[in-house]
Amino acid sequence: GAGVSQSPSNKVTEKGKDVELRCDPISGHTALYWYRQSLGQGLEFLIYFQGNSAPDKSGLPSDRFSAERTGGSVSTLTIQRTQQEDSAVYLCASSSQGRAFFGQGTRLTVV
Amino acid sequence: DQQVKQNSPSLSVQEGRISILNCDYTNSMFDYFLWYKKYPAEGPTFLISISSIKDKNEDGRFTVFLNKSAKHLSLHIVPSQPGDSAVYFCAASGTSGTYKYIFGTGTRLKVLA
Repeated sequence: GAGVSQSPSNKVTEKGKDVELRCDPISGHTALYWYRQSLGQGLEFLIYFQGNSAPDKSGLPSDRFSAERTGGSVSTLTIQRTQQEDSAVYLCASSSQGRAFFGQGTRLTVV
Repeated sequence: DQQVKQNSPSLSVQEGRISILNCDYTNSMFDYFLWYKKYPAEGPTFLISISSIKDKNEDGRFTVFLNKSAKHLSLHIVPSQPGDSAVYFCAASGTSGTYKYIFGTGTRLKVLA
């Protein structure tokens, strides 16, 4: 694909349910990032992958959040027992030559 | 702590005039800086970047200036066009081994026709 692809584009879930967000990075990009943007806020760093390993997961807000990356490509961000404060746009990016390319994001709404 | 700060949440500029967006950072380990533009319901798109070995980088209507001693960078857009209306984020990265990008909170630019 030409760019970073995220699915679903929108997700409404009930409080307490688990959700999985998917990111397909640009082919060949070894670095992958997850960010989130809450309403009216900036881009909050969550986790960074280099290949399949995550040397920096310092931005994950709680142990309800986890992410994995397989085959150096697709990544999933899992949020367990969702809370209303998890509502945000979750953005994935992959990078090459010092430039990060973002997907369109997944808008998560916890009701 | 907010390592990258954009202190102006919004800016309005007349079409054809210069837009200047500012960004400050606190971490002296940052050595690479980027500007992104974001339209509603879309992901941020890369605009321009600058390495700390330079103090200026230009690409068409967009110029980024870096003042390392002041830990300050700015994005100049000239001439501004209505299509430039968007939220602009600055970001910083370092070579500490993590290469993560730290973003500011964004400045909403409105270019008035």
